[in-house]
Amino acid sequence: DAKTTQPPSMDCAEGRAANLPCNHSTISGNEYVYWYRQIHSQGPQYIIHGLKNNETNEMASLIITEDRKSSTLILPHATLRDTAVYYCIAYSGSARQLTFGSGTQLTVLP
Amino acid sequence: GAVVSQHPSWVICKSGTSVKIECRSLDFQATTMFWYRQFPKQSLMLMATSNEGSKATYEQGVEKDKFLINHASLTLSTLTVTSAHPEDSSFYICSARDRQGAHTEAFFGQGTRLTVV
Repeated sequence: DAKTTQPPSMDCAEGRAANLPCNHSTISGNEYVYWYRQIHSQGPQYIIHGLKNNETNEMASLIITEDRKSSTLILPHATLRDTAVYYCIAYSGSARQLTFGSGTQLTVLP
Repeated sequence: GAVVSQHPSWVICKSGTSVKIECRSLDFQATTMFWYRQFPKQSLMLMATSNEGSKATYEQGVEKDKFLINHASLTLSTLTVTSAHPEDSSFYICSARDRQGAHTEAFFGQGTRLTVV
């Protein structure tokens, strides 16, 4: 699976949108982009995934660039409970397991 | 969404003893489950892949005789840390994916904090 690159940390004001970038410039055509988050001392929580179209669910929106070399996870109205490490993963499905990088520590400030 | 239950959520054991951690998929069948380990301020590292009815596949550097994995049914996998030592203290997390497809999301247990004293 392709390597992803994320900023190590970001801050966001409560109530504002949090935009978390991810670079996956070597992503192949059959690899999806998955986002998970891990709140301190808990297991990772699935957020969203997509292939090339933008996706939205009740938690977040995923914007994937047309060349698929990068994506942005958007939390539209961040709350203090969104403070977590966010992981962006490129995954083809063939390996069956998810490989985690270092992620982005998002801190939502009151 | 689907639920993966991990038990216990935390355990303290004496050096040299063994500890068993259970991972259950509550509302779906999981042919394959995954065991991860996470040290403080680090990311999750895959330890092994647990296959129902067959031997687990271990990642390089993970001792299969120390970390015993059993996947006896489509809803239960166990990880036993044998002869635990303080360096085995870590956060252990299991994951499972619904057997129906490769691009369904993986679900994770809540993790087990192991402290060996």
